[in-house]
Formats: sequence, structure tokens, C-alpha cells
Amino acid sequence: NAGVTQTPKFRILKIGQSMTLQCTQDMNHNYMYWYRQDPGMGLKLIYYSVGAGITDKGEVPNGYNVSRSTTEDFPLRLELAAPSQTSVYFCASSPKAANTEAFFGQGTRLTVV
Amino acid sequence: AQSVTQLGSHVSVSEGALVLLRCNYSSSVPPYLFWYVQYPNQGLQLLLKYTSAATLVKGINGFEAEFKKSETSFHLTKPSAHMSDAAEYFCAVSDSSASKIIFGSGTRLSIRP
Repeated sequence: NAGVTQTPKFRILKIGQSMTLQCTQDMNHNYMYWYRQDPGMGLKLIYYSVGAGITDKGEVPNGYNVSRSTTEDFPLRLELAAPSQTSVYFCASSPKAANTEAFFGQGTRLTVV
Repeated sequence: AQSVTQLGSHVSVSEGALVLLRCNYSSSVPPYLFWYVQYPNQGLQLLLKYTSAATLVKGINGFEAEFKKSETSFHLTKPSAHMSDAAEYFCAVSDSSASKIIFGSGTRLSIRP
């Protein structure tokens, strides 16, 4: 079972570059999420989606964009990377947000220099 | 808006001692509450969840948590710590009308031999 797969695992970007963090899940989950994790700050929700074609902002959406054209994929786009976006990014999915388990990918460690 | 507060960013206990990790929540509606665990360089995995069926919730690896509405708390406990319990623990909340899961700042648990 693949679950939630994130690529790449590591990436170094220069300031001003852009990139897309890929996330795909094979569990047919409707809900998908992007979080960033910074030391001592826990996980902050960037964007989430409740189904294909529907996305919404989370707690810290500035500097990011998402799309959800299929149930399986939920890519996160960084435009004009900044040092403040250095973080570990986690994608997660769940059948339903309210009372079900969220399944996490292994994370992408991004450094912006 | 829903939120959780975890008291203590770092807790250290001796092997065999009681583990107590504290979480208080804020929610305008009956909450769904979760505890997740993160081992080094991995994603998060669910320990247990509260969905109003029972106030004492048992999870994996001998952990349990008690929902106390009067105290707005959902503290995580384990009677006897093992070295393998060393990890970071996150409390999270979602409510029945929300489509997102909000995490606390995390508590790092260390186990002394």
C-alpha cells in the first residue's frame, strides 16, 4: 500500500525560484491537506481540499498555491521562493475531516538559500 | 475557531514512569480531538481519537486520553514509559462542521534510562 506519496524528499532552492511539491494518494480520499512544520511551531495548515476542484486557504497560505484537478493529486506550488519558506512540508489525506484519521506522507525538506 | 494548546514543549521522564502530555482545546462546538505521534524523520501517525462515543479513549502502544469537557482538556497518558516512546506528540482538533484539522505546537517526549 503506497498511501500518501510526496516528491521530492529534499530540495534546495535559490531565492526567487519556483517549484512544485507533488503529493498523490491512492486511498480515494476526498480530503487532502498541506502543512508546514517548523521547529517549536507544530504543523501549520497551508491549504486544504475537500474534493476535486475545491480548495481553500488554511492558516498560512501566503506565498503558496494549490490545485486539485483529480482526487489523487494535490500539488503545492511555491512562487518566488523566500528564506521564510524553508521548512518541512507534509501532505496528508483523510476520507472525511471531522472524525477520521489523517494519513501523512513522509515529508519534503525544503531549504531556500 | 478551533484551536489546541499543548503545555510543555519538552517532557522528560524515566523509563517505567508515568507519561502525561497536556492538551487543552478551544471549540465553539463539540470537538473531535486527536493525538498523533511523529518519530524522527517520519510523517505523523494517529495514536487515538475522541469522537464523543466515550470520554476515555484507548489508543495504540498503551496510550490513552481522557476528554474532560469541564476542563476543556484531552491529556495523553501512559502508565509506564518505554524507550521506544521517545518522539514528538501532537494534539489536534477538528469539529463536525469544519473541513480541516488544526494541530498544536507539539511536545517532545524524552525517556531517560
